[in-house]
Order: sequence, then C-alpha cells, then structure tokens
Amino acid sequence: NAGVTQTPKFQVLKTGQSMTLQCAQDMNHEYMSWYRQDPGMGLRLIHYSVGAGITDQGEVPNGYNVSRSTTEDFPLRLLSAAPSQTSVYFCASRSLDTQYFGPGTRLTVL
Amino acid sequence: SQQGEEDPQALSIQEGENATMNCSYKTSINNLQWYRQNSGRGLVHLILIRSNEREKHSGRLRVTLDTSKKSSSLLITASRAADTASYFCATDARNTGNQFYFGTGTSLTVIP
Repeated sequence: NAGVTQTPKFQVLKTGQSMTLQCAQDMNHEYMSWYRQDPGMGLRLIHYSVGAGITDQGEVPNGYNVSRSTTEDFPLRLLSAAPSQTSVYFCASRSLDTQYFGPGTRLTVL
Repeated sequence: SQQGEEDPQALSIQEGENATMNCSYKTSINNLQWYRQNSGRGLVHLILIRSNEREKHSGRLRVTLDTSKKSSSLLITASRAADTASYFCATDARNTGNQFYFGTGTSLTVIP
C-alpha cells in the first residue's frame, strides 16, 4: 500500500494564480481531510469529507474548494492564490480513530 | 478555537533522559491522540487514549489523561536521538462531527 500520496511536493505560485493540490489514498478510507500547517500554529483543518460526494468546511476554508468524486481522491483547489496561503498542506485519511498523513505539499505564493 | 496547546514549546534533553510534554484542551472529548512529526515529513500516529482511560502505555511511551483538568501528558522514557521530532496532541472533540483539533506542538531535541 502506498498509503496517502500528495502531489506536488513543492509549488511556487504568483498571487492570483489557481492550482489544485492532489491527494490520493489506497486504504479505502471514507474520511479524508486537508490541513495547513503554519509555524507556531499547529495544524488547522481546511475541509474534510466523510465519503464520496460529501464535503464540509473546517476551521479555515476561505479561499479553498474541494470535491470528492471517488473514495480514493480528494483534491484541494486554490481559486486565486494569496500570499496568506503560503503554507505546508497535508492531506490525511482516517480509519476509525487514527489519521494517516501524506508527506505534504510546500506552497509558496509570491 | 478548540485547538489544544502543548507545553513546553521546545524541549532539549540528553540521550537516555526522559522527556515529558503536556497538552491542554478546551472542550469535552471522545479521545486524545499523540502524533510525531519529523522535520519535513507528515505526522505519524503514536498512541490514542480514550476519555474513560487514565493511562496508557506503548513501548517507551506513556500517556496520561485527566479529563477534569482537560489535560494530557506524553512521557518518552530512555530517549534516543531518533526521537528528535515535533510532537502534537489531537483531540476528537464531542459534538464537532468528525473533526480533529491539533495542538501547536512541542519540538523535542535529543542530544546524543
């Protein structure tokens, strides 16, 4: 099993550009989530999904969109990147009480 | 915010010593978990303790939970250089649907 995979690992955007961060898991988990990690802030939940076709907002959803068309994939879209979205983004899938994290995407918005 | 807070923010110890880090949270929980994050990597689940448990062990890890004080502690015994990482607590709070809330983390450095 590959577990949770994320692409790309690094990305630099200019303000106003859009992009999609990809996340996939091969553990057949229904629950998936996106977090951002900023220095001194811990992880903050952006969006989550409890199954295909179902998504909901977390603590910091503004500026991000998600969709869940399959159990395996949970992409995160930045509609119009802003410098405040410079961060490390982690995708996770959940089995019962345990979350499994991807390796992260380091995003810089100039 | 329902986010927890770890204390201390940073901890530096000699190899072989014990490391203790604490987590405080704000709301009633179903369970509390500890995760480790090595530099530049994703988080890895270490141990879970449920709200009706007071202490749990896993190898060199010992976790305690005091729901009356809304706090937990993680003890790593006989530390090794490989334990150098950031440690986060995460709460599965009641009445929040399926959301986890992470603390701000403790950065542990174990000096060989």
